[in-house]
Amino acid sequence: KNQVEQSPQSLIILEGKNCTLQCNYTVSPFSNLRWYKQDTGRGPVSLTIMTFSENTKSNGRYTATLDADTKQSSLHITASQLSDSASYICVVSAYGGATNKLIFGTGTLLAVQP
Amino acid sequence: DVKVTQSSRYLVKRTGEKVFLECVQDMDHENMFWYRQDPGLGLRLIYFSYDVKMKEKGDIPEGYSVSREKKERFSLILESASTNQTSMYLCASSYRGRTVAIFGPGTRLTVL
Repeated sequence: KNQVEQSPQSLIILEGKNCTLQCNYTVSPFSNLRWYKQDTGRGPVSLTIMTFSENTKSNGRYTATLDADTKQSSLHITASQLSDSASYICVVSAYGGATNKLIFGTGTLLAVQP
Repeated sequence: DVKVTQSSRYLVKRTGEKVFLECVQDMDHENMFWYRQDPGLGLRLIYFSYDVKMKEKGDIPEGYSVSREKKERFSLILESASTNQTSMYLCASSYRGRTVAIFGPGTRLTVL
């Protein structure tokens, strides 16, 4: 069964600190993996996308890594800011049919405190 | 600025009412999706469409129907709303063959 699991479920850090969010997946056939940021009451916004051959991708203070062998990904946030407070969702795409199937993790809720 | 828009941010309906949720995208995307998002369950696909008048069931289509008469518009219909359909509904779109979906702002539906 295709699944995406994220940890931790929630996280509280102080402003300026770094943090790492984890994503483990069992999805086949794998197409790509994306991290989305979702502010409260808003739709998700794409941060990074990685295909099978990519093992790291950066977007400003966000760096995503992908280990296709162990089927794990991480999202590292550097020098956190209050505006980083949001839910971070890992999404894995599986090949199939007229359009790829997206499998969503349940998200990590990050709170950055001053 | 390209975007996906949804007709309402907040909606309150009564049990048994027919509910229409509208989604419009201005990016000429072929694919459009409807998800619902519930705490602890993440986003779950209700229906998607990969072309005008085409639709495919997602993981949880029961109690829902959709309509795509024009490329830019994808409607989600609750024929007879029930309390267990209280949720955040998210519309998304993408180019065919591309899986970077752009999401709308969401509609928080409450069914009393």
